Amino acid sequence: AQRVTQPEKLLSVFKGAPVELKCNYSYSGSPELFWYVQYSRQRLQLLLRHISRESIKGFTADLNKGETSFHLKKPFAQEEDSAMYYCALMDTGRRALTFGSGTRLQVQP
Amino acid sequence: DGGITQSPKYLFRKEGQNVTLSCEQNLNHDAMYWYRQDPGQGLRLIYYSQIVNDFQKGDIAEGYSVSREKKESFPLTVTSAQKNPTAFYLCASSRGTANTGELFFGEGSRLTVL
Repeated sequence: AQRVTQPEKLLSVFKGAPVELKCNYSYSGSPELFWYVQYSRQRLQLLLRHISRESIKGFTADLNKGETSFHLKKPFAQEEDSAMYYCALMDTGRRALTFGSGTRLQVQP
Repeated sequence: DGGITQSPKYLFRKEGQNVTLSCEQNLNHDAMYWYRQDPGQGLRLIYYSQIVNDFQKGDIAEGYSVSREKKESFPLTVTSAQKNPTAFYLCASSRGTANTGELFFGEGSRLTVL
């Protein structure tokens, strides 16, 4: 069965510090991975997907098949990055997402 | 104003009662989903529908039922058989039957069983 693990419930950093939100997955096929974000009083929304290899709001994520990881990184955190972040894996059979338990990022001034 | 609308935002229910949560979308999306969100557990898939008049069980479907009679609507009924119904429920939709991974979420409905 596929699984997404986010080992940290809370990550607290100071403004300007680097950020790395960890995500590990288990999946037998070719994985499609995503990061979703929920800012305070806003809806859950897509941040980025690995196939796009894009940088959104300064965040990047690289799929490492050897380590089965898809960590989200940003070199310099901003206070507005404070939010709940979820890693998600596509179940290609069902075409539905499996989410991790989420990590709350707090960026302190 | 386009998007996903869930209602009600807050709902209280006595034990033994069924309750239906509404989810409506005007995005012309084919696929719709229901997730349950509990603290520390992330989102868990309850039911999903890729097309009108068809739906499938997710990972935690026991005690829930759905219908998909219209493309725009995907109501979720929490039945008295659901042992721990108190939770936050999220509805989502996506374009096409081949989900690209971009889900559009509603604001959620919080159900509390008294």
